[in-house]
Amino acid sequence: DGGITQSPKYLFRKEGQNVTLSCEQNLNHDAMYWYRQDPGQGLRLIYYSQIVNDFQKGDIAEGYSVSREKKESFPLTVTSAQKNPTAFYLCASSGPGRASMNQPQHFGDGTRLSIL
Amino acid sequence: GDSVTQMEGPVTLSEEACLTINCTYTATGYPSLFWYVQYPGEGLQLLLKATKADDKGSNKGFEATYRKETTSFHLEKGSVQVSDSAVYFCALTSYGKLTFGQGTILTVHP
Repeated sequence: DGGITQSPKYLFRKEGQNVTLSCEQNLNHDAMYWYRQDPGQGLRLIYYSQIVNDFQKGDIAEGYSVSREKKESFPLTVTSAQKNPTAFYLCASSGPGRASMNQPQHFGDGTRLSIL
Repeated sequence: GDSVTQMEGPVTLSEEACLTINCTYTATGYPSLFWYVQYPGEGLQLLLKATKADDKGSNKGFEATYRKETTSFHLEKGSVQVSDSAVYFCALTSYGKLTFGQGTILTVHP
């Protein structure tokens, strides 16, 4: 079955460390997204990518970085510059083609990041 | 900018009760509207959608009608089940970007 795989499910980071969250999709979708979910605040967009080798900042990009070298993969790095990284991170994709108004996004099961 | 406002939660109901979760929005242009559901420890799943005014989205007994005049997209179900317990998110998409409400926690007791 096609879908989005996020790994790991739980991740722990020491202060000052960078950490990378994996997101892989086999839906043949062109657009991919990273969201951060905090209790009572809904989802906020970190970065998104419409096509390979291209990505744009979302609403809360500071302290995060991404790459899009392959259509199937959109890893997110949480850098030491992110002062409050503890959250639930969700990856999503949509397609085919560039993101459009009518396309729903398909979500992975998320990665919960905690600071030790 | 675009925004979505959902009714405050949590909402607690008995099985077979009626459900309404209010959602209103502000947006430029003509957005598409969605309801997503999140079960504990999981990602979001699309529940239903509507792409233009007066459209009604429906799935699994849930319904929502795109009301342009009141900028609303309220989620309704006539008889909830324990398995409907989850967090429900109203969202809109405008020019490819999804904007979410803050989510409403629903708990259904037997």
